[in-house]
Amino acid sequence: DGGITQSPKYLFRKEGQNVTLSCEQNLNHDAMYWYRQDPGQGLRLIYYSQIVNDFQKGDIAEGYSVSREKKESFPLTVTSAQKNPTAFYLCASRGRKPNNEQFFGPGTRLTVL
Amino acid sequence: QKEVEQNSGPLSVPEGAIASLNCTYSDRGSQSFFWYRQYSGKSPELIMSIYSNGDKEDGRFTAQLNKASQYVSLLIRDSQPSDSATYLCAVRRDFGNEKLTFGTGTRLTIIP
Repeated sequence: DGGITQSPKYLFRKEGQNVTLSCEQNLNHDAMYWYRQDPGQGLRLIYYSQIVNDFQKGDIAEGYSVSREKKESFPLTVTSAQKNPTAFYLCASRGRKPNNEQFFGPGTRLTVL
Repeated sequence: QKEVEQNSGPLSVPEGAIASLNCTYSDRGSQSFFWYRQYSGKSPELIMSIYSNGDKEDGRFTAQLNKASQYVSLLIRDSQPSDSATYLCAVRRDFGNEKLTFGTGTRLTIIP
């Protein structure tokens, strides 16, 4: 089955802790993305990566970090510097030409206690 | 002015009627346009993409694009209760450009 997987589905974190969200895809897509969704604010881009070992900041990168060591994997670390980390985190990957459509994983809901 | 604007709703439509969802965008360089459906608590699902002016039909869904007016819409014919969801409009500046810009979504409720 081809697709994008994210784990865990739900994550609880104490203030001051770093946590890492997993995103894996077996679609052979080059580009991968991380978004954050808050109620009433739509999707905001955190980081994206077009190729292995390269990534760019999105609109709200502060307090987050990523790595892209393998084409299939794009993990996101939410650091203690992120002031309001409670949100729904969505990973996506982009297909090939001609349409370059973007598809989402199932998401991880992070709650800071 | 928001880059991508949608009426947040809620939009209530009787079952079997046509639901019309609207989206305007501010960047005239936008070239690619997408509609995603998001059920409560779930991730967005791509349902339509459109790249040139005019209409594009896929089953009960029709996307309409007017670049001169910077306007894209989604029509859902023969609305079903399963169409109740939030619909997100997304635009991309250049063909192959990485970043999508999303609207905040329109919540649609189909009334049986």
